[in-house]
Amino acid sequence: GNSVTQMEGPVTLSEEAFLTINCTYTATGYPSLFWYVQYPGEGLQLLLKATKADDKGSNKGFEATYRKETTSFHLEKGSVQVSDSAVYFCALRGSSGGYQKVTFGIGTKLQVIP
Amino acid sequence: DTEVTQTPKHLVMGMTNKKSLKCEQHMGHRAMYWYKQKAKKPPELMFVYSYEKLSINESVPSRFSPECPNSSLLNLHLHALQPEDSALYLCASSDAGTGVGSNQPQHFGDGTRLSIL
Repeated sequence: GNSVTQMEGPVTLSEEAFLTINCTYTATGYPSLFWYVQYPGEGLQLLLKATKADDKGSNKGFEATYRKETTSFHLEKGSVQVSDSAVYFCALRGSSGGYQKVTFGIGTKLQVIP
Repeated sequence: DTEVTQTPKHLVMGMTNKKSLKCEQHMGHRAMYWYKQKAKKPPELMFVYSYEKLSINESVPSRFSPECPNSSLLNLHLHALQPEDSALYLCASSDAGTGVGSNQPQHFGDGTRLSIL
């Protein structure tokens, strides 16, 4: 079956530091890949997505590139802010016919300190 | 602001109560979902509706009863819940695409935080 592996954290960074959250996956075929962010007390928000190999998703300064050769979709941001403190979920969804369940990673908590 | 609206935001109920959670979206999505999320865990899928018909039930106990009155609304009726059912309940929607939104991202509401006494 499909699976997503990401670091649990927490990851603690100073403001303006560089962020990388690693995500690797196992799936058959050509899944779509997503990063969701969950701020305290809120639901999940779609942060970015990529639907095929070598696609780069980007939003709000965050980026992730779909690497099929390494089955990875690492999240990066050049300069984090305190407001980026949240839990980040890597997720995938298959593209075969029929219903494809979303598979989530365990979530990585990011804490940014001033 | 989220485009999927859930009410109430918080709900406290006893084990003998009957209550309902509500979800509404106006994005024209034809697939809607209920998830359960425990603290420090990812969401777990409960139900999937496609074109107002129940497509997936992830072996959820019958004390949870979903309903999709129309393409914009999704309800979750609760009865005789247990303390372990305390969690954040998230509604989501997506384009249906092929195969219940096969590779479409899901858009989530802010959830209802449910506490069972």
